Amino acid sequence: GAGVSQSPSNKVTEKGKDVELRCDPISGHTALYWYRQSLGQGLEFLIYFQGNSAPDKSGLPSDRFSAERTGGSVSTLTIQRTQQEDSAVYLCASGQGSNQPQHFGDGTRLSIL
Amino acid sequence: QKEVEQNSGPLSVPEGAIASLNCTYSDRGSQSFFWYRQYSGKSPELIMFIYSNGDKEDGRFTAQLNKASQYVSLLIRDSQPSDSATYLCAVTHPGGYGNKLVFGAGTILRVKS
Repeated sequence: GAGVSQSPSNKVTEKGKDVELRCDPISGHTALYWYRQSLGQGLEFLIYFQGNSAPDKSGLPSDRFSAERTGGSVSTLTIQRTQQEDSAVYLCASGQGSNQPQHFGDGTRLSIL
Repeated sequence: QKEVEQNSGPLSVPEGAIASLNCTYSDRGSQSFFWYRQYSGKSPELIMFIYSNGDKEDGRFTAQLNKASQYVSLLIRDSQPSDSATYLCAVTHPGGYGNKLVFGAGTILRVKS
């Protein structure tokens, strides 16, 4: 497909488990961003990749959160020892460059029981 | 003061009318401005972006930017019931790398037929 692809679309897991969320950006887009949107909260930035490097990780809420990007393409966001407050929709966006419009995927709805 | 402020609404307009959505931002260093539409349960969809002072038109949508007043707006002409959604104003954060987006909380628009 031509858009940003995220998987899984929904994830339900127990508190304390680790989860991995995947993002496949639009082909050719060098910039990749992770955001999250909690119920009743706005969209908040988590991390930015340019190529495989992450020059801005300022939005990661704790050291339980990490992300990587390989081959300048697919990115994985990992949350270790999940907590209930991690429940949110995790959105990935990509862009042609750092100041270009960002296009969002459909998101992963994460629910921590 | 929030970095990006929007009236939460709901803004109700009759079908065929002009809907006017407003947004103010606090950081004078912001350079790029975006409007996203978000239907309930869906991810944000980019509808307009603007970089320079003045107006930018695309079909029924017009984005207006006034950097001196730190104000950006979106006009929707000939509003349709399908325009009913939450509209998110987003501004690039000038600090750090990658121009991450800072979002307002969104304005709910309801178009009544």
